[in-house]
Amino acid sequence: NAGVTQTPKFRVLKTGQSMTLLCAQDMNHEYMYWYRQDPGMGLRLIHYSVGEGTTAKGEVPDGYNVSRLKKQNFLLGLESAAPSQTSVYFCASRYQGVGTEAFFGQGTRLTVV
Amino acid sequence: GNSVTQMEGPVTLSEEAFLTINCTYTATGYPSLFWYVQYPGEGLQLLLKATKADDKGSNKGFEATYRKETISFHLEKGSVQVSDSAVYFCALRQQGGSEKLVFGKGTKLTVNP
Repeated sequence: NAGVTQTPKFRVLKTGQSMTLLCAQDMNHEYMYWYRQDPGMGLRLIHYSVGEGTTAKGEVPDGYNVSRLKKQNFLLGLESAAPSQTSVYFCASRYQGVGTEAFFGQGTRLTVV
Repeated sequence: GNSVTQMEGPVTLSEEAFLTINCTYTATGYPSLFWYVQYPGEGLQLLLKATKADDKGSNKGFEATYRKETISFHLEKGSVQVSDSAVYFCALRQQGGSEKLVFGKGTKLTVNP
């Protein structure tokens, strides 16, 4: 019973490098989200998806791209990493419906030097 | 747009003390309201929720009541334990439209023995 799995858990990047964070859920959820968590800022929504093949911008989308080619996977890409993208990234998923619970992954700690 | 404001932390209490963490929100219509908890090194997990006015959510001794007249969803617990030490997030989700989950900035609680 894996739930929401994020890969990798830790990563250090040099400025300008690219990488992809993978989020996989095994609960057949329609909705998936990417958040970043920074001290004193709470969680801020980067991008989200309401179904396979669809994505939308959240509160802080600049510098990130996403794809949802399969229902169970939601990928977050950084094309050219910047130190300002140093953060802890969380993926979440949930069923469609009023009041449904969002399930979170364990997080990816990314440092850009 | 939708927003959540919760009391600034950190909050430090002695075991068995009474806890209140204030949360107010701004939203159109009738959002669903949530409290999530984050234990050290982990992702967020749902603590309790309420989907309509006057609903009371409860779990593990924590309670919160959806107050439409005061646009609030304050978290309370009558007697905290050391194991309750964590960061608590208030959140809302507008029904329909983008279905985005919006978080407050979080309140760190430390309970001392």
